[in-house]
Formats: sequence, C-alpha cells, structure tokens
Amino acid sequence: DVKVTQSSRYLVKRTGEKVFLECVQDMDHENMFWYRQDPGLGLRLIYFSYDVKMKEKGDIPEGYSVSREKKERFSLILESASTNQTSMYLCASGTELAKNIQYFGAGTRLSVL
Amino acid sequence: AQSVAQPEDQVNVAEGNPLTVKCTYSVSGNPYLFWYVQYPNRGLQFLLKYITGDNLVKGSYGFEAEFNKSQTSFHLKKPSALVSDSALYFCAVRDPSGGYQKVTFGTGTKLQVIP
Repeated sequence: DVKVTQSSRYLVKRTGEKVFLECVQDMDHENMFWYRQDPGLGLRLIYFSYDVKMKEKGDIPEGYSVSREKKERFSLILESASTNQTSMYLCASGTELAKNIQYFGAGTRLSVL
Repeated sequence: AQSVAQPEDQVNVAEGNPLTVKCTYSVSGNPYLFWYVQYPNRGLQFLLKYITGDNLVKGSYGFEAEFNKSQTSFHLKKPSALVSDSALYFCAVRDPSGGYQKVTFGTGTKLQVIP
C-alpha cells in the first residue's frame, strides 16, 4: 500500500514563527502536492511538484514556499506564520502512470496563535 | 481553466435507501474525474475515477459514478446506503489537455446516513 506520512498531526505555533511541514511518500511518485482544507472551501492547492527541485504554484501560494530536495520528501514552509494560516494541511502524492490518482497523508492541523 | 461544483453541502439518506451525491464540472477538453472520501480526522481516500470508456464506473465499497458528458456531471451513487458510509465526499477534476498535473477539488458534500 502507498504510504504518505506527514510529520505532525497537530501543531501550535505563534504568529511570526517560521513553520515547516514535512511529507514523505514511499511509492516513488514523481508528483507531490500540498493542500489546505477549510470548512466550506474544500481543498485548495497551495503548491505542487512534478520532480525533484521542480515546483509549480497552485491556487493559493501566497505566504507559503516549498522544497523538494529528494523525490520522496516535499516540505511546506510558512515563512512567517499568520493567524489566517490556521488550517488543516494535507499532503498527497501521485503518478502520471495512474492518471494522478492522489494518495493523501492523514493531515496536519496547524493552529497559529 | 478547470472547475468542479458540488451543489449540496449535506445529503441525508436513510440506511438501506439509494444515495446520490452530485458533481458537475467544467473543463476545456475531455476530463479525468475522481471521487474521494474523507472519514473524520483522516486524509482523503480514492474511491473511483473516470478516464475514458464506459460511462458507468464502479469503485470501492460498492460505490459507482456515472459520467454524463452532455450534462457535464459525474454523480456518485450507491444502491443501498450504510451508516458506515457517513463521511465527507469530494469530487475532483483534471484537464489532461493542459499538460499539467493539477487536480481541482470541489468543496465537499457531507453524507449522513440515518439508521
């Protein structure tokens, strides 16, 4: 089975802190994605990566950056956390061979105080 | 641009009755369409997909979906609902003619199956 692991289930940070969310997948998928999930808004794509060191902005990239130094790992960075970034963050991976069916991690619930 | 709409925030159905969760989409080319389910405090799980071919697609847990190109819809269905089907359901679309991997998700529909 595909496994996508997010490093934390819950995080509490203070406004202005730099926050790192880590995601690791074990299926050698070339594509990885970061979403945030908010009630009534569904999933919104923040960034995705289609190869090591390659990234594309999603629908809501402002205030976020990403890093993909190794194929299995995709990091989401909040440079200076703000209260409006309090949300559930979901990481996913997929491969074009499977038409990009996405496999999701359990999510990280981030609270910024 | 690609988009997907789930017009119902919540659907209530009695256990044993058929269920339908609605989804409509908009893409410029031929779509790839997906349904995912999210149980409480969990990530999303893939249920089924339409890529090409037969308009009726069967997936996990007895779910199926019908692709209707003229109505640009991809409704999720199940003949007999179970209480354990209660969850949040997401429809998603991808336009492969765009040459990129982005998938757009709907806002989700909460399915409540009443015993």
